[in-house]
Amino acid sequence: NAGVTQTPKFQVLKTGQSMTLQCAQDMNHNSMYWYRQDPGMGLRLIYYSASEGTTDKGEVPNGYNVSRLNKREFSLRLESAAPSQTSVYFCASSGEGGTEAFFGQGTRLTVV
Amino acid sequence: GENVEQHPSTLSVQEGDSAVIKCTYSDSASNYFPWYKQELGKRPQLIIDIRSNVGEKKDQRIAVTLNKTAKHFSLHITETQPEDSAVYFCAAIHSGGYQKVTFGTGTKLQVIP
Repeated sequence: NAGVTQTPKFQVLKTGQSMTLQCAQDMNHNSMYWYRQDPGMGLRLIYYSASEGTTDKGEVPNGYNVSRLNKREFSLRLESAAPSQTSVYFCASSGEGGTEAFFGQGTRLTVV
Repeated sequence: GENVEQHPSTLSVQEGDSAVIKCTYSDSASNYFPWYKQELGKRPQLIIDIRSNVGEKKDQRIAVTLNKTAKHFSLHITETQPEDSAVYFCAAIHSGGYQKVTFGTGTKLQVIP
């Protein structure tokens, strides 16, 4: 049982480059999330998706776009990376009725 | 939307002592309150949770209490051990409709041997 799988684990980008972080879950969860975690900081919500076909902005959406491709997959795209986007990114999913959120292993992104 | 405040941001305790982390929430409709532990370089993982129809829940050395009237909940760790050193996050969720997980800002717990 894989749970939540994120790719890649590490990435270095140059300023202005674009990339997509992939996330997939195999738990049949409706809700999926993207968070960023800066060093010594908490989890800040970038975007979330309550169900297939819906996405909503979180606390820090600027500079990011998302796609809920289907129930399993929720991707995060950086169109033009900036050094301020250097962070660890976590994807998470949760089920119905108030249940545990499961996290992917994280993507450590450095923008130089 | 929901706002979760967590205190303290850092906490140092001697091994064997107790540690208490407190959270307050703003949305009275929130009814599910999980606590996550994040070890250095790893993903957050659930350690205990409580629902609004329960006032207290224990699991070995860990307990969580909930005061719905005051809209606050707390994590209690007794007989702390070095392996308890980590960052702890609380969350408050309204499970009706769809749930959006709002996390507290985290508490870095250091257990000194």
